[in-house]
Amino acid sequence: QVQLQESGPGLVKPSQTLSLTCTVSGGSISSGDHYWSWIRQPPGKGLESIGYMLYSGTSYYNPSLKSRITISMDMSKNQFSLNLGSVTAADTAVYYCARGRGYGYGIDYWGQGTVVTVSS
Amino acid sequence: DIQMTQSPSTLSASVGDRVTITCRASQSINRWLAWYQQKPGKAPKLLIYQVSTLQSGVPSRFSGSGSGTEFTLTISSLQPDDFATYYCQQYEGYWTFGQGTKVEIK
Repeated sequence: QVQLQESGPGLVKPSQTLSLTCTVSGGSISSGDHYWSWIRQPPGKGLESIGYMLYSGTSYYNPSLKSRITISMDMSKNQFSLNLGSVTAADTAVYYCARGRGYGYGIDYWGQGTVVTVSS
Repeated sequence: DIQMTQSPSTLSASVGDRVTITCRASQSINRWLAWYQQKPGKAPKLLIYQVSTLQSGVPSRFSGSGSGTEFTLTISSLQPDDFATYYCQQYEGYWTFGQGTKVEIK
């Protein structure tokens, strides 16, 4: 059973960089054609894709966030990470890491989510 | 970006009702559509992918249909566990989600 767990600061100051890590257990991030992804949900609102990365190194970022995002993978630790720069209050959200099973199969495993608040 | 529009935003229904949620895409997404269920404080759960394929373990009262730009999620007989918010997602282009449909108790 694949499990994902987000970790990182719950409070980030405006203009700083939000950094989160997702630790994957029960499966390797370097196997298969899985999409290791970040998705967020502002309070009381819907879901927004941030970006994803494949083991091959292919990545895709939300065009509206692209200039501020970096997603990276650490195979040795079976982790992948999100850096979101120049944050504002609009970046306050629950951040989920998740796995897309492969092209066309949907997002089948999700972390529990971590609340990140942007405030001074 | 491909925009996804769900209707209705809120749906009031009773246990045993047949429920249908619609999702429209701003352009054709072929069969690259999924549906998720989310309960308060929880991560979304995959119900259906590729328009109509049920994820393992999902009850058969859930079904999906459609093509091109118009898609539906149907719950054939609403159960107490089904009161939740439902999202569609396209993955033809960059991933985008609908705004959600909350199914509440009538």
